Amino acid sequence: GQNIDQPTEMTATEGAIVQINCTYQTSGFNGLFWYQQHAGEAPTFLSYNVLDGLEEKGRFSSFLSRSKGYSYLLLKELQMKDSASYLCAVRDSTGANNLFFGTGTRLTVIP
Amino acid sequence: GAGVSQSPSNKVTEKGKDVELRCDPISGHTALYWYRQRLGQGLEFLIYFQGNSAPDKSGLPSDRFSAERTGESVSTLTIQRTQQEDSAVYLCASSTSTGLSGNTIYFGEGSWLTVV
Repeated sequence: GQNIDQPTEMTATEGAIVQINCTYQTSGFNGLFWYQQHAGEAPTFLSYNVLDGLEEKGRFSSFLSRSKGYSYLLLKELQMKDSASYLCAVRDSTGANNLFFGTGTRLTVIP
Repeated sequence: GAGVSQSPSNKVTEKGKDVELRCDPISGHTALYWYRQRLGQGLEFLIYFQGNSAPDKSGLPSDRFSAERTGESVSTLTIQRTQQEDSAVYLCASSTSTGLSGNTIYFGEGSWLTVV
């Protein structure tokens, strides 16, 4: 089975840095994704990790530790438009190689 | 097409009626996923297709839900005898393959279903 945990809500200040954590327990592991979803819109791809370490992409970075079943998404220089839900998703390597999502973390950026 | 296309974008139906939701994946994408998202909640996996076959149907919530895919392209999600609890946005996504771990999945805009 799959179990993916993220905090439900976070609040951070414009210009600051915020880290959103994700822990997972899956039958198999074949990669971890982060998606951003603004209210009323479809999720959009942010990052992908399959090996341990940090992947940096502009203001966003994502980290993975497979031995700990842990990832985080780091957002720097927060902007008001970063207010959204951030979804952690794990690809299961058993059977169908399916992609399972956590419930998402709703981030509110305040001035 | 350029992106994943879903129709209808919005559907209001009466309880007990059947509805069909359509998904046109990105051209060439062999993997297709259906998810359900209730208001303010996370994505709930429904079904996944690789080509025209569905190796994982484990997420379909009841026998009122069914899905098919033809020509390794269009997929239809059918909900029979709709209930108010079925009200949600139904998201379709596609990717080139799930055998290769780095392939990103791309989402459509969703079909917003309201059962009254």
